[in-house]
Amino acid sequence: EVQLVESGGGLVQPGGSLRLSCATSGFILNTNWLTWVRQAPGKGLEWVANIKVDGSEKNYVDSVKGRFTISRDNPKNSLYLEMNSLRVEDTAVYYCARGRPFGEDYWGQGTLVTVSS
Amino acid sequence: DIQMTQSPSSLSASVGDRVTITCRASQSIYNYLNWYQQKSGKAPKLLIYAASSLQSGVPSRFSGSGSGTDFTLTISSLQPEDFATYYCQQSYRTPRTFGQGTKVEIK
Repeated sequence: EVQLVESGGGLVQPGGSLRLSCATSGFILNTNWLTWVRQAPGKGLEWVANIKVDGSEKNYVDSVKGRFTISRDNPKNSLYLEMNSLRVEDTAVYYCARGRPFGEDYWGQGTLVTVSS
Repeated sequence: DIQMTQSPSSLSASVGDRVTITCRASQSIYNYLNWYQQKSGKAPKLLIYAASSLQSGVPSRFSGSGSGTDFTLTISSLQPEDFATYYCQQSYRTPRTFGQGTKVEIK
């Protein structure tokens, strides 16, 4: 069974940092792209970043470029999102997902990040 | 970035109704269009990929069509478990943008 489980969310002050993790199981990690998607409270879905199977290519939405870094550790079956210079508008539930050419087909349950003073 | 525009933003329908949601891309995305269902407090679920292919395990009352810039999600006979928010997403270019969502509510 494919599973993705996020962790690392919490309350952080504006300008602070947080590192999210996503533990995966049930599929061969090093043959799949991985993705982060977020959803602000009461809002729609926003694609944040993705990373190629070997980590050699990373893509980001403009609003997080230079502040967020996506990475992966295939032997540990894990995906990460390092978030720096956090803003109030980064408050959201962050989901990790398996990326395919057509869509993100498996998702975690999400972890809530709240940026507030 | 490619902009995705869904319509309507919300709709009210009854069990058994045929429901259609449309999605328009700001440029051609060929068939790189996916549909998701999200229920309150849950992660999104992939329903349709490549514009018209049904994801494994998804009921056949869901169907998708379209290519280029205009796409449609149809639910042939709405069931109680289908009341949710639906999102389209393009996977032609990064960032993989989503539409703003269509909330399907009970009439």
